[in-house]
Amino acid sequence: EVVLTQSPGTLSLSPGERATLSCRASQSVSSNYLMWYQQKPGQAPRLLIYGASSRATGIPDRFSGSGSGTDFTLTISRLEPEDFAVYYCLVYVNTPLYTFGQGTKLDIK
Amino acid sequence: QITLKESGPTLMKPTQTLTLTCTFSGFSLTTSGMGVGWIRQPPGKALEWVAVIYWDDNKRYSPSLKSRVTITRDTSKYQVVLTMTDVDPLDTGTYFCAHVLTTRGRAFDIWGQGTTVTVSS
Repeated sequence: EVVLTQSPGTLSLSPGERATLSCRASQSVSSNYLMWYQQKPGQAPRLLIYGASSRATGIPDRFSGSGSGTDFTLTISRLEPEDFAVYYCLVYVNTPLYTFGQGTKLDIK
Repeated sequence: QITLKESGPTLMKPTQTLTLTCTFSGFSLTTSGMGVGWIRQPPGKALEWVAVIYWDDNKRYSPSLKSRVTITRDTSKYQVVLTMTDVDPLDTGTYFCAHVLTTRGRAFDIWGQGTTVTVSS
């Protein structure tokens, strides 16, 4: 069974800075099926990245995804005030089909 | 434009059976590549995948919930129903349904607003 570990648990940065969020899988997964989501309090998650590096519709280009195998990264090039939220990675595999990471909270320093 | 909306009871007692309905528009669940999934989130905790159903009526479940959960569809009503038996306070949380497009990395790309369920005696 695949386990996704996100780090750090909390990341404190200022607007304008660069954010790098990590998602590590316990075994190699296909990058075709690695996704990133943003969730703000009281809201549903929003798809940011699918296929490890493809931006979803309407997602600003300051969001980018990269990685392969067991190590994946979400980068936000210049933080805007609206980017402070919780970020989850998600992977689709054969078993148990979908697994979420535990999340990284990005908060304002 | 794809939209989804969850509905169901807000308060349940332990051991009862929970039935949640996802009513969607903007796509058909008989179109190849389409799917609808359920994801839940306990208060203050991470997201957890529950179940998914695809255009060909293929159904898959989280191993940890498989014995208690059933997902079905009514294509004429544009609805997907999640049934969970023998609920426990640990099942308290927000339940989301979401659209899946298998050609987009099987991502949950469009989500409903969620419905909150509390299990308490």
